[in-house]
Amino acid sequence: NAGVTQTPKFQVLKTGQSMTLQCAQDMNHEYMSWYRQDPGMGLRLIHYSVGAGITDQGEVPNGYNVSRSTTEDFPLRLLSAAPSQTSVYFCASSYLEGAAGELFFGEGSRLTVL
Amino acid sequence: GENVEQHPSTLSVQEGDSAVIKCTYSDSASNYFPWYKQELGKRPQLIIDIRSNVGEKKDQRIAVTLNKTAKHFSLHITETQPEDSAVYFCAASPHSGGGADGLTFGKGTHLIIQP
Repeated sequence: NAGVTQTPKFQVLKTGQSMTLQCAQDMNHEYMSWYRQDPGMGLRLIHYSVGAGITDQGEVPNGYNVSRSTTEDFPLRLLSAAPSQTSVYFCASSYLEGAAGELFFGEGSRLTVL
Repeated sequence: GENVEQHPSTLSVQEGDSAVIKCTYSDSASNYFPWYKQELGKRPQLIIDIRSNVGEKKDQRIAVTLNKTAKHFSLHITETQPEDSAVYFCAASPHSGGGADGLTFGKGTHLIIQP
């Protein structure tokens, strides 16, 4: 099993550009989520999904969009990038709803918005 | 929503000594409390977790204690080793009811093991 795979690992954008961070898992987990990590801020939940066709907002959803058309994939879209979205993004999945079980993280995607 | 406070933000201990990291949470309905370790440049990984029906859990040199009345839980690492140097995050799962809100993380503790 590859676990949770994120792409790209690094990306530089200009303000106003859009992009999609890809996330795929091969563990048949129903629960998937996106976090952003900023220095001194811990991990903050952006969006999550409890299954195909179901998504919901987390703590910091503004400026991001998600969809869940399959169990395996959970892409994160930045609609119009802003410097405040410079961060490290982690996708994570869990076999238990509500992340009440181990979260398996991807390797992270470092995004810089100029 | 849930709010998790974690202290200290930085902890430096001598190799072989013990380290304790403390967290408090606000939602009395939270029932799952994991701890994640993140080495520099790596992804967070679960090291131990505890559920609200248990007061303490141990796994070799690490242990977690939970006080539901006071709404706080702690990570204890004994006989610290250089490979314990990392950032540690506590987290709590909020009351989910019929939904799933995900984990709320503390801001992290940078543990430094001095040789």
